[in-house]
Amino acid sequence: DAGVIQSPRHEVTEMGQEVTLRCKPISGHDYLFWYRQTMMRGLELLIYFNNNVPIDDSGMPEDRFSAKMPNASFSTLKIQPSEPRDSAVYFCASRTAGPLYEQYFGPGTRLTVT
Amino acid sequence: TQLLEQSPQFLSIQEGENLTVYCNSSSVFSSLQWYRQEPGEGPVLLVTVVTGGEVKKLKRLTFQFGDARKDSSLHITAAQPGDTGLYLCAGSHGNTGKLIFGQGTTLQVKP
Repeated sequence: DAGVIQSPRHEVTEMGQEVTLRCKPISGHDYLFWYRQTMMRGLELLIYFNNNVPIDDSGMPEDRFSAKMPNASFSTLKIQPSEPRDSAVYFCASRTAGPLYEQYFGPGTRLTVT
Repeated sequence: TQLLEQSPQFLSIQEGENLTVYCNSSSVFSSLQWYRQEPGEGPVLLVTVVTGGEVKKLKRLTFQFGDARKDSSLHITAAQPGDTGLYLCAGSHGNTGKLIFGQGTTLQVKP
């Protein structure tokens, strides 16, 4: 079975541009998570969905960030406008509704904003 | 805010040595997981522990959950260069649906 799929793997953009990151969770998984990882702050949870509904977006840094999950097999994280401080690796993860909360991560998107 | 404190943050050892990584919190967790992340990849789940005092082994890796379910340790015996990576502990708390991650331990095993 395919794992979590993320695209693109690398994105370089200029400050002020819109960036869209994409994620396809593992089929049958009910939860989807978006994380950001930097050396300084480690792995931070941005937002998560349950059955396509956003449950907790308290980690979204500001209004420039938005996330959608239009169906069970696709989610996007959008940054508009992007800033250099948004440079990081963004991970998508998914899991089933089971009690153990075991998450499966995608390979990540490395975003560089110049 | 629930926090998971990992120690040490960085560890550089020679091949063949043993090591222990700790994950501590003041909160009780329903379950705790350990992940390993290699450069350029996402974290990969190694193990989940759910019962206080539980010990699980994965080849040369031994994981223990504290009796009070507030802490955990990862012990590696005879470390190999392939063990190099970032080790993350993560705990689930209540019915929030999300994990609390530690800041990670970067392990380098030199041949």
